[in-house]
Amino acid sequence: EGVLRQSPVTLSVSPGERATLSCRASQSLGTNVAWYQQKPGQAPRLLIYGASTRATGVSARFSGSGSETEFTLTISGLQSEDFAVYYCQQYNNWPPGTFGQGTKVEIK
Amino acid sequence: EVQLVDSGGDLVQPGGSLRLSCSASGFIFSSSWMSWVRQAPGKGLEWVANIGEDGSEKYYVDSVRGRFTISRDNARKSLYLQMNNLRAEDTAVYYCARPLVLIVNTMYNFYFDIWGRGTLVTVSS
Repeated sequence: EGVLRQSPVTLSVSPGERATLSCRASQSLGTNVAWYQQKPGQAPRLLIYGASTRATGVSARFSGSGSETEFTLTISGLQSEDFAVYYCQQYNNWPPGTFGQGTKVEIK
Repeated sequence: EVQLVDSGGDLVQPGGSLRLSCSASGFIFSSSWMSWVRQAPGKGLEWVANIGEDGSEKYYVDSVRGRFTISRDNARKSLYLQMNNLRAEDTAVYYCARPLVLIVNTMYNFYFDIWGRGTLVTVSS
């Protein structure tokens, strides 16, 4: 069974700086990875699919990269509304729809 | 506006039953697979169940198979989750979501592009 490991668990970043979030898979995923943003009390929001394609309406501050077992979500020029929890999700292997445990991006 | 509104969450005793509902608008519901995803308090996300466009295909995570039933009414643009024999570990916010379904490596898989706001199910005596 595939496992997704996100790091770090918590990332402290100052507004305006860049945040780099990692998602590592135990098995090859090709580019079948999505990233979501979740703010407190809200539903998750799709940011990235296909490892690097931004979803409709997502700011260009968000970029995704990677393939096979190593994936990265980069948030450039962090704004106040970007402080949230971010999840990666694989859609390549069984069991389907598996999520990572999340990375919390907090204000430094 | 594309929207999913989920409802029906409540406090229920272990062994009890509950039915969640989700109302869709702003997209062609009858042409969309639909899902339930849950999140235990302070925890991550877990896919629970999927249903195909006409309701003939249904898939479940192992931990709920045999206890939960996903269904839909395309005329009412509504999705349902019947939860029986509830356990403490089913306590979570349950989200209605639309999966974009792909065939990857001959297997069925998906990610989610539309989410409801969630409804809280608490299983406790």
